[in-house]
Amino acid sequence: SQQGEEDPQALSIQEGENATMNCSYKTSINNLQWYRQNSGRGLVHLILIRSNEREKHSGRLRVTLDTSKKSSSLLITASRAADTASYFCATAIDTGRRALTFGSGTRLQVQP
Amino acid sequence: GAVVSQHPSRVICKSGTSVKIECRSLDFQATTMFWYRQFPKKSLMLMATSNEGSKATYEQGVEKDKFLINHASLTLSTLTVTSAHPEDSSFYICSARGEGGSEQFFGPGTRLTVL
Repeated sequence: SQQGEEDPQALSIQEGENATMNCSYKTSINNLQWYRQNSGRGLVHLILIRSNEREKHSGRLRVTLDTSKKSSSLLITASRAADTASYFCATAIDTGRRALTFGSGTRLQVQP
Repeated sequence: GAVVSQHPSRVICKSGTSVKIECRSLDFQATTMFWYRQFPKKSLMLMATSNEGSKATYEQGVEKDKFLINHASLTLSTLTVTSAHPEDSSFYICSARGEGGSEQFFGPGTRLTVL
């Protein structure tokens, strides 16, 4: 079963607006990662936040992690049309194998 | 960041044939490689984990005799879809992780279409 659930499933905004995507997970994690996927392409790693971190920034990206609520959010500020893509959160399901379990994803459409 | 390649990027085959997909880490040694499957507009589902030189660990519900995985070297893992059927049509993505690393690097994916 999917570890993570994301909402919204789809989000359409205008260029310049901020986009917020949320991810919830069920089990304890070592870290949570966010990935971006353009249609029909591979995944691009955006940011990793460790379980002992609460917030992290990278350029126009801001990620928060609330381990008590088992949730994370990804904020993209001042969005651009080129940000149009699907965004997935992913958690490591165990420390041994470190395979990732992906959330259901949010399809972001940024209108120019 | 580290680079992972997949070949082919796209393949179309007839039912009953076998298809091999290669996943290569180009600039690092990948002690572990993962194979994922993704249906249209859906998330990635882990199929199996392969460690160099040992048998792959398959996720529940994934047939190991149908999806053969070989991780023969520290830079190459292959996934062979045997006796492919139309329901095997999907986007297959591999990822690789180096020794002691926490980040996985993903390949660009392979689009398989079985007619």
